[in-house]
Amino acid sequence: DGGITQSPKYLFRKEGQNVTLSCEQNLNHDAMYWYRQDPGQGLRLIYYSQIVNDFQKGDIAEGYSVSREKKESFPLTVTSAQKNPTAFYLCASLARASYNEQFFGPGTRLTVL
Amino acid sequence: AQSVTQLDSHVSVSEGTPVLLRCNYSSSYSPSLFWYVQHPNKGLQLLLKYTSAATLVKGINGFEAEFKKSETSFHLTKPSAHMSDAAEYFCVVTPTNAGGTSYGKLTFGQGTILTVHP
Repeated sequence: DGGITQSPKYLFRKEGQNVTLSCEQNLNHDAMYWYRQDPGQGLRLIYYSQIVNDFQKGDIAEGYSVSREKKESFPLTVTSAQKNPTAFYLCASLARASYNEQFFGPGTRLTVL
Repeated sequence: AQSVTQLDSHVSVSEGTPVLLRCNYSSSYSPSLFWYVQHPNKGLQLLLKYTSAATLVKGINGFEAEFKKSETSFHLTKPSAHMSDAAEYFCVVTPTNAGGTSYGKLTFGQGTILTVHP
């Protein structure tokens, strides 16, 4: 079945540690996105990539980094510079076609202790 | 620039009664509009989308939405609520060009939590 996978579902880290969240898609979509979700704030865009080896900052990129070495994969690193990293992180992808919607993964809940 | 306002943060209905979740948008370009649903600790699932083909859009699970350009609204409705509809709902806008191509940058509303009572 085609879809987006995110792992792990739950992640715990100590303050000051970097952590990498995985996102893989087998939908052959060109574009991929990372969002952060906090209660009552909707989803906010962290980074996005329209094509392999290229990515752009979203609205809240500070303290995060990404790479896009393969079309299928778009990992997100939450660095120690991110002041409030505890949140629910969602990955999405989009096909290059008219009026297409973004498809979302199941999310990773990161808790920094 | 674009923005989305979901007018109610919480909506509570009884099972079997109608559902109305309100959404207003603003967009400098012709918009594509979406409604997504999110169950607790899950990803987002598309309910329906408006893409300029028809102003009344039917989605999954009996939901529908009407695009009203004059009112800049895209309210979500369902004639009869079911317990399984309890979730959080997001109204989303993205600008599209004349060919329907989305720039891919979505703007999300704050979300409306729907509670369904037996």
